[in-house]
Amino acid sequence: DTGVSQDPRHKITKRGQNVTFRCDPISEHNRLYWYRQTLGQGPEFLTYFQNEAQLEKSRLLSDRFSAERPKGSFSTLEIQRTEQGDSAMYLCASSLVQGGVGEQYFGPGTRLTVT
Amino acid sequence: AQSVTQLDSQVPVFEEAPVELRCNYSSSVSVYLFWYVQYPNQGLQLLLKYLSGSTLVESINGFEAEFNKSQTSFHLRKPSVHISDTAEYFCAVSRTGGGNKLTFGTGTQLKVEL
Repeated sequence: DTGVSQDPRHKITKRGQNVTFRCDPISEHNRLYWYRQTLGQGPEFLTYFQNEAQLEKSRLLSDRFSAERPKGSFSTLEIQRTEQGDSAMYLCASSLVQGGVGEQYFGPGTRLTVT
Repeated sequence: AQSVTQLDSQVPVFEEAPVELRCNYSSSVSVYLFWYVQYPNQGLQLLLKYLSGSTLVESINGFEAEFNKSQTSFHLRKPSVHISDTAEYFCAVSRTGGGNKLTFGTGTQLKVEL
């Protein structure tokens, strides 16, 4: 299976620590998205990349958050100085868009718990 | 900006009964519409989508949804549900011509009982 993978699947950290998540998209997909999902809510858009360029960031993405997609392949999402409010499921999705709408394929997510 | 409302947080239904999961959206521009399903302990999967053309779209497992522009709705229906349909269902929209980022509703938990 060559779907979207995310690592780690679970992360428990203490408030104030930095964490980094990784997403490996489906090979040759040119777009990569990050979403955040809290309990009882639907996923909320954070940011997306077209190849290696970060084209849009949500207001939810405070300056403690940074995302990269070097060489247009895998992506990392880093949260600095974590807060309890950062506890959520972080979802990654990828799609192949060629002039139209590409279906987004989601990974299993990384569940972050900040204690 | 777009928004999605799923009024029903939980829908219990008996097996082989019909079901409708409601979705209404708000947008000042044209949108694409999607239904995603999340089975227990699995990731989100696309169930069906409306991009253009026929307003009635179908999935391979018997679900269908109809785009109603005047009522800004995209309700999901199935004439006869199975135990295996138990899952959380999310309605989502993205504006046409944008980066295809999705705006999701809060989800509806469908619980199929014997």
